[in-house]
Amino acid sequence: EDKVVQSPLSLVVHEGDTVTLNCSYEVTNFRSLLWYKQEKKAPTFLFMLTSSGIEKKSGRLSSILDKKELFSILNITATQTGDSAVYLCAVVGHNQGGKLIFGQGTELSVKP
Amino acid sequence: NAGVTQTPKFQVLKTGQSMTLQCAQDMNHNSMYWYRQDPGMGLRLIYYSASEGTTDKGEVPNGYNVSRLNKREFSLRLESAAPSQTSVYFCASSELRIPITNEQFFGPGTRLTVL
Repeated sequence: EDKVVQSPLSLVVHEGDTVTLNCSYEVTNFRSLLWYKQEKKAPTFLFMLTSSGIEKKSGRLSSILDKKELFSILNITATQTGDSAVYLCAVVGHNQGGKLIFGQGTELSVKP
Repeated sequence: NAGVTQTPKFQVLKTGQSMTLQCAQDMNHNSMYWYRQDPGMGLRLIYYSASEGTTDKGEVPNGYNVSRLNKREFSLRLESAAPSQTSVYFCASSELRIPITNEQFFGPGTRLTVL
């Protein structure tokens, strides 16, 4: 059965801290892994990863995929209160109609 | 260009009532999805439509039906609502023909309470 597990489930840090969010997965015929940010509304897309070892970067956020060990990490450096959100990891396999299998999410709270 | 729109934004039902959640996208995407989100459980796929004219069950389809009315619209129907269907419902769409992306675009969500 396809599944995605995120850790930790929740995290509280102070502004300026660096955080690492984890996502491990099992999926038939892996195609890609996606990270989303959700702030009390619809999820918004952050990254899509398909190849191992290639870092995707956007400002203070970066992510990398390890297809051998079946996990991905999302790093946020110099956190700000605006980074407070639920971060969702999802995977999709080939020939599955584009279905995303989501993890439970990591709730990040950044304190001033 | 509104992206993905959903109606209604909020709804309260009594047990046994029926209702339809509407979703439309204006991005000419082939694939559309319905998810529900419950606390601590992430997003779970209810039904999806890989292309116009096809629908398939997702992870939690029981108690729901869907209709892919045309390429733009994908509705979700609760025939006899139950308190266990209290949730936030998200519709999403994506374009699978682009080979290197599977980004899904989400609607704003419908918060449904079943009493």
